[in-house]
Amino acid sequence: KQEVTQIPAALSVPEGENLVLNCSFTDSAIYNLQWFRQDPGKGLTSLLLIQSSQREQTSGRLNASLDKSSGRSTLYIAASQPGDSATYLCAVPNQAGTALIFGKGTTLSVSS
Amino acid sequence: DVKVTQSSRYLVKRTGEKVFLECVQDMDHENMFWYRQDPGLGLRLIYFSYDVKMKEKGDIPEGYSVSREKKERFSLILESASTNQTSMYLCASSGDRVQGYTFGSGTRLTVV
Repeated sequence: KQEVTQIPAALSVPEGENLVLNCSFTDSAIYNLQWFRQDPGKGLTSLLLIQSSQREQTSGRLNASLDKSSGRSTLYIAASQPGDSATYLCAVPNQAGTALIFGKGTTLSVSS
Repeated sequence: DVKVTQSSRYLVKRTGEKVFLECVQDMDHENMFWYRQDPGLGLRLIYFSYDVKMKEKGDIPEGYSVSREKKERFSLILESASTNQTSMYLCASSGDRVQGYTFGSGTRLTVV
């Protein structure tokens, strides 16, 4: 059964720092991996979607990498800002491809 | 952009009431999902649907049912609301296996 783990659970950094969020998954036979952002009390906003054939995806200050063989993905945030404060979730499809399996998330706090 | 709209952001219902949570998507996606999110437990799949009138149980279907009479609409029904169903409910949709998931803004349900 696919399991997704995110480390660390929480992270506090000063504004301007570059940071890395980690995601690992137990079954490397995935179609893709998706990173989401969630603000308190809100829904999930998709940040990046990496297909299994890709190594990385970039959007603005965000860069996500995927290493299927080792079961790992990282989300790199450059020059962090207070507006980046949120919970970041990674998710992969289950083996049947019928639903997403989520990690518990990393809660990021960026102080000004 | 795909939009997933959940009809209510906040709901307060009494124990024993029948509760309907509505979700509509506008991109002709085949697949729709209902998750609930609780602190410490993360996101858990309640039900999903891969076609009109088709439904499959997720990990925690007990106490819930669903309806999908039209492709764009997926309803979650709490037959007799209980306090342990107080939670954040998130609806999502997706197309084929290479497409990512799009989530709605969530419904915070409180059962008193």
